[in-house]
Amino acid sequence: SQQGEEDPQALSIQEGENATMNCSYKTSINNLQWYRQNSGRGLVHLILIRSNEREKHSGRLRVTLDTSKKSSSLLITASRAADTASYFCARETSGSRLTFGEGTQLTVNP
Amino acid sequence: DGGITQSPKYLFRKEGQNVTLSCEQNLNHDAMYWYRQDPGQGLRLIYYSQIVNDFQKGDIAEGYSVSREKKESFPLTVTSAQKNPTAFYLCASSAGSVGETQYFGPGTRLLVL
Repeated sequence: SQQGEEDPQALSIQEGENATMNCSYKTSINNLQWYRQNSGRGLVHLILIRSNEREKHSGRLRVTLDTSKKSSSLLITASRAADTASYFCARETSGSRLTFGEGTQLTVNP
Repeated sequence: DGGITQSPKYLFRKEGQNVTLSCEQNLNHDAMYWYRQDPGQGLRLIYYSQIVNDFQKGDIAEGYSVSREKKESFPLTVTSAQKNPTAFYLCASSAGSVGETQYFGPGTRLLVL
């Protein structure tokens, strides 16, 4: 099982708007990572947030982590058409293994 | 796609045939991973290796086999025992310690004839 859920499954917005994606999980984590995947390509790492961190920024990306609610969110501000992709959260629970969610398909319309 | 290469980009398998997917990295990473992705789904771990000559089963290892004879190479064989092999296969590597980013290859799409 994927041990968690992401929502929404699909999100369609206009360029310039903000996009928020959520990730929930069931077991304790060491850290949580967000990845991006363009259609038919490999995944690209976006940001890592450790279990003792609550918020992290990278450019137009903001990630929050609430370990009491076992949830994380990814915010993309001022979205661009080039942000169109699938976004996955991945939980590191033991060793170096990652467990991926099923992803959110983001479409940014020009 | 970093320093990880996968080949071929597309692979066709006939019934009862074993096929091998190649994964090579030049990042000097200790750990390597194989994932399977079905349409519209997330990634599921097939096998992973944290050191040369050692590997562990992931969540869906049945019908697959791997070897790790060299640090830079981690080939995946899809055997005839895998009855539903059509999927997108992704290889990744990491430094291997807790909290490390994984770097992904471009993927191989396997189709059954």
